[in-house]
Amino acid sequence: DIQMTQSPSSLSASVGDRVTITCQASQDISNYLNWYQQKPGKAPKLLIYDASNLETGVPSRFSGSGSGTDFTFTISSLQPEDIATYYCQQYDNLRITFGQGTRLEIK
Amino acid sequence: QVTLKESGPVLVKPTETLTLTCTVSGFSLSNARMGVSWIRQPPGKALEWLAHIFSNDEKSYSTSLKSRLTISKDTSKSQVVLTMTNMDPVDTATYYCARIYSGSYDYWGQGTLVTVSS
Repeated sequence: DIQMTQSPSSLSASVGDRVTITCQASQDISNYLNWYQQKPGKAPKLLIYDASNLETGVPSRFSGSGSGTDFTFTISSLQPEDIATYYCQQYDNLRITFGQGTRLEIK
Repeated sequence: QVTLKESGPVLVKPTETLTLTCTVSGFSLSNARMGVSWIRQPPGKALEWLAHIFSNDEKSYSTSLKSRLTISKDTSKSQVVLTMTNMDPVDTATYYCARIYSGSYDYWGQGTLVTVSS
């Protein structure tokens, strides 16, 4: 199975900061990579699909990039409501795997 | 409006079999390119994909749990059922069902917490 290595596992940043999270796949997955936001006690929410496409209704401060094995998720200007845990997910062969998550906190 | 809702026991004993039902609305389980997955999350831990089933009845299972899982669907009832045998305390988790469309989970259920304890 494809392994996803997500980093960092936790991150503390200030409101207005640019925040970056990375995900590395154990093999080439083209652009078959999605990003989710999960707030405590809630189900995950799709933010970015196919590595770089913004899901409808998601603020434009969220973005994604990458292909092959290396992917990046960016929040251009951190807002208080962005405090959550973020997960990457690959679907290269429809055998799904998630990253270990990045917990984002306000400094 | 697309919704998914999980139902099942909140408490199971070790060695028992867990049966969870996902009831969907707002879309049909016969829609092409769509499927339903089960995903779980132990308290404080990451998401773990378990299984999914598609409109053509194609199924796929987590490699590590394959021997314990069975997924099925009843299109007429708009339900997807997951069974997991030989439950253990490490299987304590919130179990989610989610719609998969072109590889992405665009709609999720609220999740149901299942505790495994004697």
